[in-house]
Amino acid sequence: RKEVEQDPGPFNVPEGATVAFNCTYSNSASQSFFWYRQDCRKEPKLLMSVYSSGNEDGRFTAQLNRASQYISLLIRDSKLSDSATYLCVVNLGSGGYNKLIFGAGTRLAVHP
Amino acid sequence: DAGVIQSPRHEVTEMGQEVTLRCKPISGHDYLFWYRQTMMRGLELLIYFNNNVPIDDSGMPEDRFSAKMPNASFSTLKIQPSEPRDSAVYFCASRPGQLQETQYFGPGTRLLVL
Repeated sequence: RKEVEQDPGPFNVPEGATVAFNCTYSNSASQSFFWYRQDCRKEPKLLMSVYSSGNEDGRFTAQLNRASQYISLLIRDSKLSDSATYLCVVNLGSGGYNKLIFGAGTRLAVHP
Repeated sequence: DAGVIQSPRHEVTEMGQEVTLRCKPISGHDYLFWYRQTMMRGLELLIYFNNNVPIDDSGMPEDRFSAKMPNASFSTLKIQPSEPRDSAVYFCASRPGQLQETQYFGPGTRLLVL
């Protein structure tokens, strides 16, 4: 079983749609969680951290369920510029020890 | 401020040749990471350094791979001898310090081994 699993997609949605991505992780000792975004042929960039209480950044909402080892990302009012691959990321370490495990990514294509 | 700098951006080489990838982290960052990304395996951590010292190299595939960080502003990842299965995008990333978990990635080096 992969340490971080995501639906690979692609998700093809029209502009303005709401889309949700899910992710599960296998290591219950995981300390912190993130969503990264990767555009085609570019490097990954941090989109947002994911906190236990859930957190929002504009049109993006991230949630974490530690009991179920489940992470989600909700994008509201999709824009063409949201088209990218979204990587679910789990940090197995804490403090100074830092080991990020990346999911394979979920591809999103927003069309006019 | 300049981000993470990697060179070369593209490398095409023949099997058996030595390949050296270079990385300059963001100034002041204490951590440096080397990743490899392929379609089959996704993004994998190869090795990371803290204050120029290798901390975890458990992701290094085999002895053909080696990484060094001689000073705070430079790191290399060397593959010798290279094989076609090493073809991938190699990313370098840096992180400010212990209290900040965000990693900043360089643009990557696309390696093709023929």
